[in-house]
Amino acid sequence: KAGVTQTPRYLIKTRGQQVTLSCSPISGHRSVSWYQQTPGQGLQFLFEYFSETQRNKGNFPGRFSGRQFSNSRSEMNVSTLELGDSALYLCASSPPANTEAFFGQGTRLTVV
Amino acid sequence: GQQLNQSPQSMFIQEGEDVSMNCTSSSIFNTWLWYKQDPGEGPVLLIALYKAGELTSNGRLTAQFGITRKDSFLNISASIPSDVGIYFCAGGGSNYKLTFGKGTLLTVNP
Repeated sequence: KAGVTQTPRYLIKTRGQQVTLSCSPISGHRSVSWYQQTPGQGLQFLFEYFSETQRNKGNFPGRFSGRQFSNSRSEMNVSTLELGDSALYLCASSPPANTEAFFGQGTRLTVV
Repeated sequence: GQQLNQSPQSMFIQEGEDVSMNCTSSSIFNTWLWYKQDPGEGPVLLIALYKAGELTSNGRLTAQFGITRKDSFLNISASIPSDVGIYFCAGGGSNYKLTFGKGTLLTVNP
């Protein structure tokens, strides 16, 4: 069974730009969560989608948004990028009725 | 919001030594998970715990779900160089949301 796939692996953007990250979950998993990981703050929860609906949301500004498609693939978007948005963005998928999260390799975003 | 206190922040040990790390919370969790993350990679699930008092092993790793449901520990026996990495605990609630500890950086000296 293929694991969680995130694209792209690396990204460099300029302040003020926007970015879209993609995540393909493990087959059969309908829940997809997104996390931001920085050295100082650890893993911070962004949001979780289940059956195309946002089920949980973390404490991030509205510049961070996401969506989920009917095939459970998910995207997250960050608009008006700031230097502080530089981080490893991790996507995780979970099996039905289960909190176990299986992570992708992440997208390393650098904002310059 | 819910917060997890994971300790120690870092450990430097000799190969062959046993390691212990733990997480505590002011909130009750229904699930405790332990992950390991290598540099540049996503966290990998090591052990999942579902019941208070549960003790589960995965090779040289052993983890327990605290009786109060507010804590968990992870032990690694006879450490080897490939155990190097960051270990995270995560607590899961009834809303399917995970809260992560800040991690324990483990360094193993061969």
